[in-house]
Parts: sequence; C-alpha cells; structure tokens
Amino acid sequence: GAVVSQHPSWVICKSGTSVKIECRSLDFQATTMFWYRQFPKQSLMLMATSNEGSKATYEQGVEKDKFLINHASLTLSTLTVTSAHPEDSSFYICSARGRTGPGTDTQYFGPGTRLTVL
Amino acid sequence: RKEVEQDPGPFNVPEGATVAFNCTYSNSASQSFFWYRQDCRKEPKLLMSVYSSGNEDGRFTAQLNRASQYISLLIRDSKLSDSATYLCAVDNSGTYKYIFGTGTRLKVLA
Repeated sequence: GAVVSQHPSWVICKSGTSVKIECRSLDFQATTMFWYRQFPKQSLMLMATSNEGSKATYEQGVEKDKFLINHASLTLSTLTVTSAHPEDSSFYICSARGRTGPGTDTQYFGPGTRLTVL
Repeated sequence: RKEVEQDPGPFNVPEGATVAFNCTYSNSASQSFFWYRQDCRKEPKLLMSVYSSGNEDGRFTAQLNRASQYISLLIRDSKLSDSATYLCAVDNSGTYKYIFGTGTRLKVLA
C-alpha cells in the first residue's frame, strides 16, 4: 500500500531552537499534505494544509510564523517549529492525499514525529 | 459542543465479546466519515470508511445515521489484538480536512 514517511521519528531539543520535520510520500504524488498535532490523550488537531507550490493555509489559532510549512515538491512537505518551547512538545503527524490507483484518491498518514522540548 | 464527540472509555471487554462505539457529529452537512485505529504512540490507521448504506469488513461493521448525526462501529468476536483507541473522523467540506474525535479506548481482556 501507499507509504508516507516522516523524519525524524523523535527529536529532543532545547527551548529556543528550531526543529524541522519532513514528510514524504514514497510511492505516489501528494496533491495535498496535512499537518496534525496530537497532545497526550487528546485528538488529532489539524494545524495546516499544504499544497505544492503555494502557501499553506493554517487553521484558526495556529501561528504561521511559528510553524513554517514548505511544500517544495509533490512528494515532500516540511514543518519547521521555530523557537520551540516546552508547550510545543507534542506528536506531529503528517498525512498525504493523492491517487495511488484508479479511483483511489485517499489520505495516508505518516508514522508521526514525537517532539520533546526541554 | 465539540464538532465530533466520542465516549473516551475505556471499554473493557472479554475476548469474544461484541462491542459498539458511537461517534456524534454536529455539522449536518458533513460529507464523509471514517473509523481509524490508533495504537499507543503510533499514527492512526484507516480501519474503514463509513457509507450511507452501512458497510462490513470481516468482524467490523460501520453504520451512519444522518438523521441523528452519528456513526457507529461494531466489533464482533473481539480479539486481544483489537485493543487500541478507535478514532472517528469527519470530512465536512470534501477537502480531506478531517476533524477527529478524541477516540474511544478499547481493552480486550483474556
């Protein structure tokens, strides 16, 4: 089946540093990628929608200058958490939408990146 | 009121039991509905889409009740390996921007 990868799978960083997370669709071209965040025992919350070659659209309450999204190609989107603070510690999950076959326009989730900010 | 609501559980059931979860949604214009399974510290994996007429995949049955605005998931003959958190997801606009419930935790006991 279709695969979406994320890198790194986990990261620990000091407060004030920036962290970049990559999301790749491995065997299909993703027309759209989504970035979600999940705090412990809470639901996945959509942060932003990323389309290749255009600016990301952010959900209400998500700071675009703090969470920089770049969708450089149809198979790669990156999320950079700038000046990370402990409250940004969370599980960041991307998903990619694309066609993996006839009539199979669907969404696939990456394995997630666990960010811990000290 | 949350857009998508689920009973967080946990539901503790013995092996072989039948268990059902509901998920209510507030937007009557919601278009697509899904059940995902999420294991601890892992990403959600699609269990099944929910179709208007209801659908079944092995031991799993999903149903949609538009009048009462809820979807359900029925698991028959529960296995230990079914222990997980079950998330419902709703696509309001057909843009694949999913709204997830907080999940219902299931523990199947030996």
